[in-house]
Amino acid sequence: EVVLTQSPGTLSLSPGERATLSCRASQSVSSDYLGWYQQKPGQAPSLVIYGTSNRAAGVPDRFSGSGSGTDFTLTISRLEAEDFAVYYCQHYDSSPPWTFGQGTKVEIK
Amino acid sequence: QVQLVQSGAEVKKPGASVQVSCSTSGYTFTNYYIHWVRQAPGQGPEWMGRVNPSSGDADYGQRFQGRVTMTRDTDISTAYMEVHSLRSDDTALYYCARLSGDRSEAYWGQGTLITVSS
Repeated sequence: EVVLTQSPGTLSLSPGERATLSCRASQSVSSDYLGWYQQKPGQAPSLVIYGTSNRAAGVPDRFSGSGSGTDFTLTISRLEAEDFAVYYCQHYDSSPPWTFGQGTKVEIK
Repeated sequence: QVQLVQSGAEVKKPGASVQVSCSTSGYTFTNYYIHWVRQAPGQGPEWMGRVNPSSGDADYGQRFQGRVTMTRDTDISTAYMEVHSLRSDDTALYYCARLSGDRSEAYWGQGTLITVSS
């Protein structure tokens, strides 16, 4: 079973700054099966990135994803007010089908 | 448009069972797995299991094996998730969700809060 470890736990940044979030897998995974979700208080998670680097529909181009093997990154180039949230990486596989990281909270400094 | 609408919040006593429903619309129900995910207060999402709406087969995460049952009713395009022998640490938000075939779209229910308290 793949374990996803996200870092840092909390990122304190100001609007306009760049955010870099890390997701490390316990073993090599296919880039096709790595995604990122954004979750705001009181809401269900919302897909941001799928297949490591593809933006989901409606996601602004300030969001980008990269990585391969065991190391993956979500970058928000210039933070806007609506980007402050918790972000989770997710891996899709056969067993178990879904695995989530523990999350990175991006908070306003 | 694709919609997943869940049943309302419940308060249960330890040892009881609870069933959450997930009513779907806007797509062919039998074409996509329905997954169930729970999120304890302040924690990340945790995959509980999934049901194949076409066959009715379900598979479960190790932590939930034997204590959770996932079913579906194809006539009304609804999936169900039942948790038995509730404990206080089952207090959480429970979500149903599905992905598109190429994983480019994800649809989640609004979540159902289950509170377990004596």
